[in-house]
Amino acid sequence: DAGVIQSPRHEVTEMGQEVTLRCKPISGHDYLFWYRQTMMRGLELLIYFNNNVPIDDSGMPEDRFSAKMPNASFSTLKIQPSEPRDSAVYFCASSQTSGTGSGEQFFGPGTRLTVL
Amino acid sequence: KNQVEQSPQSLIILEGKNCTLQCNYTVSPFSNLRWYKQDTGRGPVSLTIMTFSENTKSNGRYTATLDADTKQSSLHITASQLSDSASYICVVRAGGGADGLTFGKGTHLIIQP
Repeated sequence: DAGVIQSPRHEVTEMGQEVTLRCKPISGHDYLFWYRQTMMRGLELLIYFNNNVPIDDSGMPEDRFSAKMPNASFSTLKIQPSEPRDSAVYFCASSQTSGTGSGEQFFGPGTRLTVL
Repeated sequence: KNQVEQSPQSLIILEGKNCTLQCNYTVSPFSNLRWYKQDTGRGPVSLTIMTFSENTKSNGRYTATLDADTKQSSLHITASQLSDSASYICVVRAGGGADGLTFGKGTHLIIQP
């Protein structure tokens, strides 16, 4: 398996623009997680899905952020409009069980977002 | 409030030397603790996972310890190699759903030749 795939790897955009990050989880994994990582705050869980259904989005910063999972092999995280404080590395991870229990979360390579 | 504190924030050691990274947590109820290694420009990769009943677990040159009474964990790296240069993140799960994770901010380790 190729592991968790994320695209793009790098994104530079101007404030106010829409940004869409993409993720393909490992086949057969039924949990998908979106994280944001910054130097100041470390890794933060934004939202997670179970069997394509959003379970908890309490970590989503504000209404400018939205996430979807239309099928088991694809998820998107959208920021509209983007702001400079959204600059961070965004990770997608998937797991076969609850992940935070005995299961392991497998992380993608991340998307480095820079908002000018 | 659940918290995970890691120390030191950064560490520089010479190749071949040993080092120990610390993780203190106040997560309750405790379910498990996992150490991740994150290479620059990559996603975190799990090194070990420890449950309440486990005191020590090894993965090659990495040895993790857990003291559930004092709520402390350590990650010991033996005979460090240049490839050990990375950030090491301690993550503690509270009993409950898949969102019951608390992340430390990590220790940035640099191995110098």
